[in-house]
Amino acid sequence: QQQVKQSPQSLIVQKGGISIINCAYENTAFDYFPWYQQFPGKGPALLIAIRPDVSEKKEGRFTISFNKSAKQFSLHIMDSQPGDSATYFCAASPYNNNDMRFGAGTRLTVKP
Amino acid sequence: GAGVSQSPRYKVAKRGQDVALRCDPISGHVSLFWYQQALGQGPEFLTYFQNEAQLDKSGLPSDRFFAERPEGSVSTLKIQRTQQEDSAVYLCASSLSYRGPLAGGRTGELFFGEGSRLTVL
Repeated sequence: QQQVKQSPQSLIVQKGGISIINCAYENTAFDYFPWYQQFPGKGPALLIAIRPDVSEKKEGRFTISFNKSAKQFSLHIMDSQPGDSATYFCAASPYNNNDMRFGAGTRLTVKP
Repeated sequence: GAGVSQSPRYKVAKRGQDVALRCDPISGHVSLFWYQQALGQGPEFLTYFQNEAQLDKSGLPSDRFFAERPEGSVSTLKIQRTQQEDSAVYLCASSLSYRGPLAGGRTGELFFGEGSRLTVL
């Protein structure tokens, strides 16, 4: 049961462009929304996370935008670089427990 | 080591064989999770331990799957009578604490191992 729906499945962006990945959720108990980055042969690694008390969080070139009423959140990667090429997963969980649910992933390719 | 360590990295099993996958979490991490990641998919939750207690095993797909963490550190995921549909990468993750109102910063961050890729022939 996919509790977090992610799109697109794959994304190709030119170097220097903006990569945008979207996620939607159903469970209103979710209130912690991380994004994970996974390189081939490696485990996912936390990239950035947000709680719904803010609508946006920025860390370097990575920004999460959060729309609580629409139950949607997105990852923006500014000035995308070839080294950003990886699979990105959104996830969600209730803050007071560890039941983390992941989206299906977006394979990002940044062309030089 | 500094990170979550999993072994074996690759396992090929014949259908019907039993397999055991090991996870060494980051030292001092209270919480430990097992996830199953099918090819091209996101991780799917299998089970969760807080110290040695298995608090949630709702994601285990069948009674052929069994996990333990007897001393609250190393964990083993065992799959009995493997089937082809069990082929996947099995990810282990640990986190510093039970995430809650007193947790700050990235305390609840999951640190993943590189996974054990199981292929059942």
